[in-house]
Amino acid sequence: NAGVTQTPKFRILKIGQSMTLQCAQDMNHNYMYWYRQDPGMGLKLIYYSVGAGITDKGEVPNGYNVSRSTTEDFPLRLELAAPSQTSVYFCASSYPGELFFGEGSRLTVL
Amino acid sequence: AQTVTQSQPEMSVQEAETVTLSCTYDTSESNYYLFWYKQPPSRQMILVIRQEAYKQQNATENRFSVNFQKAAKSFSLKISDSQLGDTAMYFCAFIQGAQKLVFGQGTRLTINP
Repeated sequence: NAGVTQTPKFRILKIGQSMTLQCAQDMNHNYMYWYRQDPGMGLKLIYYSVGAGITDKGEVPNGYNVSRSTTEDFPLRLELAAPSQTSVYFCASSYPGELFFGEGSRLTVL
Repeated sequence: AQTVTQSQPEMSVQEAETVTLSCTYDTSESNYYLFWYKQPPSRQMILVIRQEAYKQQNATENRFSVNFQKAAKSFSLKISDSQLGDTAMYFCAFIQGAQKLVFGQGTRLTINP
């Protein structure tokens, strides 16, 4: 099925560990985004990409890295996980006038 | 830069009542898209309704309709005959072309039995 696929859906990390959240879309969208959503709050933009090889910082990029080697994939890397990174992470892709969200990845850092 | 403002952090109404959620935005562009997304406790982002700025007619989807006032840069969502399943966070969002989308802060809506 066409759409945005995020993995894993749930993950528990220890402080200082690293991990990568995967995001893939099969709609050939150029624009892709990573958001985080803390409990009871709105979505904050971490990073976004306007096409393969091009990425840019959003509101809250510290502690994260991204890459965009292909149009389809936009992984988010967490380096040296901290409790403040406990959140739900959403990947999204867009086409003019259309937005598509992944189902979210719930990350807990203990 | 585009901004989206939702001035009502929380709202609560009785089942079957009508409720209106407000959203204002700021942009210098003339052609863009506006969305309302619903986020239930499952955290999934569900598209409620979409409006193209160049269309004067207000979008409607069953019990959901918008009041789009382009000159005033206002995009409110009206939910008629509210149901318990409408309880959720609602986000207003703006996108111009395929560029970076911008979200409002969200409104937590509770439908009481």
